[in-house]
Amino acid sequence: QQPVQSPQAVILREGEDAVINCSSSKALYSVHWYRQKHGEAPVFLMILLKGGEQKGHDKISASFNEKKQQSSLYLTASQLSYSGTYFCGTGGHSGGGADGLTFGKGTHLIIQP
Amino acid sequence: DAGVIQSPRHEVTEMGQEVTLRCKLISGHNSLFWYRQTMMRGLELLIYFNNNVPIDDSGMPEDRFSAKMPNASFSTLKIQPSEPRDSAVYFCASSFLTGTGNYEQFFGPGTRLTVL
Repeated sequence: QQPVQSPQAVILREGEDAVINCSSSKALYSVHWYRQKHGEAPVFLMILLKGGEQKGHDKISASFNEKKQQSSLYLTASQLSYSGTYFCGTGGHSGGGADGLTFGKGTHLIIQP
Repeated sequence: DAGVIQSPRHEVTEMGQEVTLRCKLISGHNSLFWYRQTMMRGLELLIYFNNNVPIDDSGMPEDRFSAKMPNASFSTLKIQPSEPRDSAVYFCASSFLTGTGNYEQFFGPGTRLTVL
C-alpha cells in the first residue's frame, strides 16, 4: 500500500523551516527520502532503517517512528535549492537483498526568495 | 564513475508497436529496479531484481510488459504491443546492499515514452 504524505504542497520563504510527513498502514522496515526537480530523476537524500533512528546532513534531517509507522523529513533554514518534489519510499521486509520501494504521491516544496 | 545509463532518452511510437527500453547498472551494483512515473499514478515500482533474479513483478501492469536481465549489468523492459496509456517516464535504478542495510537507489535519467 502506498504511504501517505502530507502536506501535498508547501510554499516557504527562504530561511523558513518545513516538515514533511510520511505514514504507512503497513509495518515498515525502511523509509527512503528522495527529492526530484522538474524534468530530472529522483535523487537520494537518506534512508532510515527500523529502530527509531534519526539522521541528518547539512540542514535536512529525518526521523523514523517504527511503532507509529511514520517518518518525518525536516528542512531547516530552507534554501532556494531545496525546491522540488519530495518523495518518501517505503521498503518492505528485506532480509536478503534490496527492496523495491513503494513511493508516496510526493510533497511539492516551493522556496521563494 | 558513470551513473545508471538508460536508452533511449525519448521514444515516440505508435499504438501496437513494440518498445524496448534499456538500462545499464552502475558497476558493482547487484540490484535493479524499474519504475514508471505519471502525473496520475505517481512513481510506481514495476519490477526489481536482486543478483539477476526477479524478486517481485507484481507491479507489472499486464502481460504486455516483460523485463529481463541478460547479464549482471544490463536490463531491458519490453512493451508489446504498446498502448497510449503506457505513455510515461520510465526510470531504472540500481543499488548495492551494504552490511549496514543501506541500499541507496541511484536513478537513471529516465526514458520518456509517448505512445500515439
